[in-house]
Amino acid sequence: RKEVEQDPGPFNVPEGATVAFNCTYSNSASQSFFWYRQDCRKEPKLLMSVYSSGNEDGRFTAQLNRASQYISLLIRDSKLSDSATYLCVSTTSGTYKYIFGTGTRLKVLA
Amino acid sequence: NAGVTQTPKFQVLKTGQSMTLQCAQDMNHEYMSWYRQDPGMGLRLIHYSVGAGITDQGEVPNGYNVSRSTTEDFPLRLLSAAPSQTSVYFCASSYEGTRGYTFGSGTRLTVV
Repeated sequence: RKEVEQDPGPFNVPEGATVAFNCTYSNSASQSFFWYRQDCRKEPKLLMSVYSSGNEDGRFTAQLNRASQYISLLIRDSKLSDSATYLCVSTTSGTYKYIFGTGTRLKVLA
Repeated sequence: NAGVTQTPKFQVLKTGQSMTLQCAQDMNHEYMSWYRQDPGMGLRLIHYSVGAGITDQGEVPNGYNVSRSTTEDFPLRLLSAAPSQTSVYFCASSYEGTRGYTFGSGTRLTVV
């Protein structure tokens, strides 16, 4: 079993829709979590950190559920430019070894 | 600031050849990592470093060596290239490991 698992998608949604992705992690010692965005043939770029209390950045909301060991990303009012692959990441305290999920592909349709 | 710079951007090697992928950052980041990305496998950690002179293995270290003689540079050496090492390689750096890594633009390596 992979340490970080994501539904590969693709998620095809119309513009303006709300879409949510989940990501599960198996290492209960995982401390820090992130969402990255990766466009086709480009490098991953940090989208947001995920805090225990949840955090919001504009149309994006990230949540952490430690009891069930998953993190989520909610995108509201989807834009065509949101089309990308979204990668979740976990890391354990003191190691800074980032473990990536395989990514969830999002296509926002006009 | 240039951020994280990787060279070369593209490379074709013959089986058995060796080469070094270069990675440099100008952000004074202590933490640096190398990943490879393959279809369906996602990003997998090869080696990482938490400072000059300190390196450690990631998930898939076999066939690769690293060293960290300066804060700025973190080269990745392929000892004897194999077709299984055909991949996209990303270098990344972070000021402090819990704040997220910044990635270079990648090196696309093909081993024939």
